Amino acid sequence: EPEVTQTPSHQVTQMGQEVILRCVPISNHLYFYWYRQILGQKVEFLVSFYNNEISEKSEIFDDQFSVERPDGSNFTLKIRSTKLEDSAMYFCASSGTQGNTEAFFGQGTRLTVV
Amino acid sequence: GESVGLHLPTLSVQEGDNSIINCAYSNSASDYFIWYKQESGKGPQFIIDIRSNMDKRQGQRVTVLLNKTVKHLSLQIAATQPGDSAVYFCAENRKDTGRRALTFGSGTRLQVQP
Repeated sequence: EPEVTQTPSHQVTQMGQEVILRCVPISNHLYFYWYRQILGQKVEFLVSFYNNEISEKSEIFDDQFSVERPDGSNFTLKIRSTKLEDSAMYFCASSGTQGNTEAFFGQGTRLTVV
Repeated sequence: GESVGLHLPTLSVQEGDNSIINCAYSNSASDYFIWYKQESGKGPQFIIDIRSNMDKRQGQRVTVLLNKTVKHLSLQIAATQPGDSAVYFCAENRKDTGRRALTFGSGTRLQVQP
């Protein structure tokens, strides 16, 4: 069964450093997303990406964040100058064609900022 | 994908019993709803979805009920098994605006006692 894969599974970084979280969405999907889940809280939407551009973003997704699809398979989330409060699980998701909004999630990357 | 869930409501059921997990959604304009299951250390896993033009949808061992009048969604799991133990989230979306971002609820932890 096709799946969304994320690397690394766990990333520890020092406050102020930049991190890049990587995702390989399901190959024939067109919509890509990043969500985050702070420990003990609900899953929160960050950004959606379609046709090589951001289609929607939440208020969480400020200038500190950026996304990129550098090639035909990878989808990345970059967090510049990480803060302690960026510590969370970051989930990548993808969904298929127009009208099918069922999103498939990856296993997540646990980001710990120290 | 851990929701330690210090504040999560918990439903404890005996193996073989039926489980009902409830969710109240906030946006009366939402027209697409999904239930996700999240096991410890994993990302949200799609269970079943329902559109607002329906009030009931059945899957394998699961049924989702939608009451738009009171903005209430429920997930019924028949013959609950130990493997059903997880945190369950409802998520909503408003498709008519073209938005694809999901808004997640705060989750319910299901514990299945053998």
